[in-house]
Amino acid sequence: GAVVSQHPSWVICKSGTSVKIECRSLDFQATTMFWYRQFPKQSLMLMATSNEGSKATYEQGVEKDKFLINHASLTLSTLTVTSAHPEDSSFYICSASTFRDEKLFFGSGTQLSVL
Amino acid sequence: ELKVEQNPLFLSMQEGKNYTIYCNYSTTSDRLYWYRQDPGKSLESLFVLLSNGAVKQEGRLMASLDTKARLSTLHITAAVHDLSATYFCAATANTDKLIFGTGTRLQVFP
Repeated sequence: GAVVSQHPSWVICKSGTSVKIECRSLDFQATTMFWYRQFPKQSLMLMATSNEGSKATYEQGVEKDKFLINHASLTLSTLTVTSAHPEDSSFYICSASTFRDEKLFFGSGTQLSVL
Repeated sequence: ELKVEQNPLFLSMQEGKNYTIYCNYSTTSDRLYWYRQDPGKSLESLFVLLSNGAVKQEGRLMASLDTKARLSTLHITAAVHDLSATYFCAATANTDKLIFGTGTRLQVFP
């Protein structure tokens, strides 16, 4: 079964609305989760590191007030895209930190389309 | 700052042929990953390489790591259509924060 669950897999919203994406580690505790963004036919860019019980660490150029990250428990991190605009349309993927089998596991991804 | 470069960006190859994808990284990395991504899907883990000289193989794919040259390769043997996908390498330095390469879009045709 899936190690990291991400929901929703697809969301369409109007410009100006906020969208929340959830990332859950299903069978392990993840003190750290990562959020990536991928534009069509491009690579994955790290947006932020989500730390359980503390503030997220954002990469340079990522607006922390626009991309709100909450990691309230050891199994759940959420990314909220606030006041979404068409340029925020992208594929968002989370990963959870685990050393199981020396691999890092990724969620299934969320395709966000802002109209 | 760790940077990862991949080449080629696009690879069109005939079934049955062999080819290699290259992944260079700029600073010392303690782990090197290879992932596969199908269109509209998330990442599928292929290999993780931990030490100099490490070689791992699964099916028609073989990955290797040369830490002195800061180079990893993904070799495809006797390509088949099912291997068509985008392949990413990613490196990490002392954290679980992955820095991804640009990706290689592989297309295998009959």
